[in-house]
Amino acid sequence: GAVVSQHPSRVICKSGTSVKIECRSLDFQATTMFWYRQFPKQSLMLMATSNEGSKATYEQGVEKDKFLINHASLTLSTLTVTSAHPEDSSFYICSARYRGNYNEQFFGPGTRLTVL
Amino acid sequence: KQEVTQIPAALSVPEGENLVLNCSFTDSAIYNLQWFRQDPGKGLTSLLLIQSSQREQTSGRLNASLDKSSGRSTLYIAASQPGDSATYLCGLLPSGTYKYIFGTGTRLKVLA
Repeated sequence: GAVVSQHPSRVICKSGTSVKIECRSLDFQATTMFWYRQFPKQSLMLMATSNEGSKATYEQGVEKDKFLINHASLTLSTLTVTSAHPEDSSFYICSARYRGNYNEQFFGPGTRLTVL
Repeated sequence: KQEVTQIPAALSVPEGENLVLNCSFTDSAIYNLQWFRQDPGKGLTSLLLIQSSQREQTSGRLNASLDKSSGRSTLYIAASQPGDSATYLCGLLPSGTYKYIFGTGTRLKVLA
């Protein structure tokens, strides 16, 4: 149980376009979802936290207008990278937790974004 | 401030060896610690999760231990195989927070 999926697993786009990444909890209701980013040879860093039905909370240094997060249902959160640039190329991973189990996060497999 | 360090950054071993990967952290107040595997260009796979109250977890050839008092966790891989080649990440959830903190990983290469 507690499986999180992401789609797509890999995406290549042109500079200036927008890309949407989906994060789904397959067998539980995720009250909170988290988005992390990993640059090459660096550790994963939290970008933002989203609670179902409310606005996302962004970490310091993360542009909320560039990285749009929507958590419209208890099983789906989306991250949209707007006007993507090559420096946005990274590995994006989501995680989710469910009500009553705040001490554990279940991680998706990640999405590798390459912006040309 | 919690910091997670993984040493060595890279490791190359011959097939069949037993090996230990290390993860150290600066604050013992944690909810849990998790070991992940990341293949080149691929996603994360959770290997073992150790809750704060636990000392170790085992899955097949993998054994992870947790010693909060010394701020250390180890991932033991028995009888290593070329298919074990990957980057191994250590991540933990500090007490009182929702932010997972990760190390930079150990890149393992098992030579046939």
